[in-house]
Amino acid sequence: DAGVTQSPTHLIKTRGQQVTLRCSPKSGHDTVSWYQQALGQGPQFIFQYYEEEERQRGNFPDRFSGHQFPNYSSELNVNALLLGDSALYLCASSRADEGLDYGYTFGSGTRLTVV
Amino acid sequence: QQQVKQSPQSLIVQKGGISIINCAYENTAFDYFPWYQQFPGKGPALLIAIRPDVSEKKEGRFTISFNKSAKQFSLHIMDSQPGDSATYFCAASMNTGFQKLVFGTGTRLLVSP
Repeated sequence: DAGVTQSPTHLIKTRGQQVTLRCSPKSGHDTVSWYQQALGQGPQFIFQYYEEEERQRGNFPDRFSGHQFPNYSSELNVNALLLGDSALYLCASSRADEGLDYGYTFGSGTRLTVV
Repeated sequence: QQQVKQSPQSLIVQKGGISIINCAYENTAFDYFPWYQQFPGKGPALLIAIRPDVSEKKEGRFTISFNKSAKQFSLHIMDSQPGDSATYFCAASMNTGFQKLVFGTGTRLLVSP
């Protein structure tokens, strides 16, 4: 049973560019949450998708947007990249009808470097 | 009020010793307190979690102690092993139906052989 799959593993972009990160949730999961983890810091919640809609958002600017597809996979888009966007981007999947106690699973992340 | 404060930032423990990591929170609406373990190049993995209706939970060598009145909780790793060397994060969440975690800043644990 595959866990949460994120792609690409690593990415280098230039300031001002746009980037798309991808996440495939664990089998049976229908909810995808995205987190940003800066170096030496804890993950910070960006937003969460369920039933193809963003249903909660953290304190991130509109440059960060997302999408969820009918197969529950998700994309995170970041426009007008800043040096400060360099971080590990984590995707977590879960089932909406289960609490956090059950199967809230993180992927290994995408390491984004903005130069 | 959404913050979870974690200490120490780093910790060195001898093999067989006890590792203790502490966290504090302000928001009394938090009702779920997990600890995550993260190895380099990997995502966080759930280690153990507790809810406020109990003061302690033990799973193998890992124990969470929870003090509701002080709004503090801690992770104890008994008989620490070199394989436990990792970064540990405490986190908290509210029962709002949205599965959102607020993380501490992390503790880098090194268990020396």
